[in-house]
Amino acid sequence: KNQVEQSPQSLIILEGKNCTLQCNYTVSPFSNLRWYKQDTGRGPVSLTIMTFSENTKSNGRYTATLDADTKQSSLHITASQLSDSASYICVAQSGGSYIPTFGRGTSLIVHP
Amino acid sequence: KAGVTQTPRYLIKTRGQQVTLSCSPISGHRSVSWYQQTPGQGLQFLFEYFSETQRNKGNFPGRFSGRQFSNSRSEMNVSTLELGDSALYLCASSYPTGGNEQFFGPGTRLTVL
Repeated sequence: KNQVEQSPQSLIILEGKNCTLQCNYTVSPFSNLRWYKQDTGRGPVSLTIMTFSENTKSNGRYTATLDADTKQSSLHITASQLSDSASYICVAQSGGSYIPTFGRGTSLIVHP
Repeated sequence: KAGVTQTPRYLIKTRGQQVTLSCSPISGHRSVSWYQQTPGQGLQFLFEYFSETQRNKGNFPGRFSGRQFSNSRSEMNVSTLELGDSALYLCASSYPTGGNEQFFGPGTRLTVL
């Protein structure tokens, strides 16, 4: 069964600090892994998309890494801002089938 | 380009009723996917439509159905509503297939009483 596990479930950090969110997946065959940011009351917004051949991808202060061997991904946020407060969702997609598998998300709160 | 729009934004229904939600994708996008989001289950895939055909379906009962029109607009229908159907229903569009980057709408908040 395809699964995506995210940790931590929630995280509180001070503005300006860095943080790293984790995602472990068991999706076979693996096609790509996506990170989304979802603000309260809004739809998710894509941050990064990585295929199995990509190790890292950046989008501004967001950097995602992927280790296809260990089936792990991380999202690193640099110099956090108050606007980074949101839920971050990891999604793994299997090859040959469109059906995505979602993690439960990490709720990040950035305090001034 | 205008983003993905969903109507209505909020909806209150009672058990046993049926509901239809609408999604207008970004112009030029031909794939539309629907998702259910609840605090307990998170985001779950409902189905995907491409060129008016359902390409993939998630693990939801037959009470959940959808369709796509020739202009790529999509509707989702839930019949015989249950309390557990209360959720945020999100649609996302992409070009040309669901494997590409998806753009989500703001969602429809459905409350079943």
